[in-house]
Amino acid sequence: GIQVEQSPPDLILQEGANSTLRCNFSDSVNNLQWFHQNPWGQLINLFYIPSGTKQNGRLSATTVATERYSLLYISSSQTTDSGVYFCANSRDRGSTLGRLYFGRGTQLTVWP
Amino acid sequence: GAGVSQSPRYKVAKRGQDVALRCDPISGHVSLFWYQQALGQGPEFLTYFQNEAQLDKSGLPSDRFFAERPEGSVSTLKIQRTQQEDSAVYLCASSLLTGVNYGYTFGSGTRLTIV
Repeated sequence: GIQVEQSPPDLILQEGANSTLRCNFSDSVNNLQWFHQNPWGQLINLFYIPSGTKQNGRLSATTVATERYSLLYISSSQTTDSGVYFCANSRDRGSTLGRLYFGRGTQLTVWP
Repeated sequence: GAGVSQSPRYKVAKRGQDVALRCDPISGHVSLFWYQQALGQGPEFLTYFQNEAQLDKSGLPSDRFFAERPEGSVSTLKIQRTQQEDSAVYLCASSLLTGVNYGYTFGSGTRLTIV
């Protein structure tokens, strides 16, 4: 299957700090997505970003498909940002979503 | 409904028992997925439905695992003769199969513990 490597595995920040999470892929980037899993286990879709840059509030993501990596930026972090961040990719192109391959995640802890 | 609903939220079963986990996707979502998430790991794909058709079941770990979606809406994941290694969170997700919306919506999961 597709290998998905995330770094760093753990990140501890003070509230207000900025951070960058990285995701590397062994295969071409098709349906790249970033998720946040909160402490209650809920997986929330943050971005669908097979290429380019998107921003949503304090979060933004950039995917460089030709180099098979994606970055998630968190600015002015808040305690509610704590949780595990996953990136995932699939082999499928176009409008059909199939199997997603997830990384092992980055555990983010933001202290007040 | 407004989101993907899974039940039960928690399930404890004795080794050897059969369990059934339910997923109610977002109304109108054509695609439905099941994932298994072990502690400290990312979700691992189990199976995928498009309407009532099971298009990919390559992730099911053994023939003790069975999933169905008979009317293209609610899905059930059944595990027979449960074993301790089946303990995990089982996540269901759905997506709207169109040309503009590619995102998954996950349910809150069922935490299965085999004792």
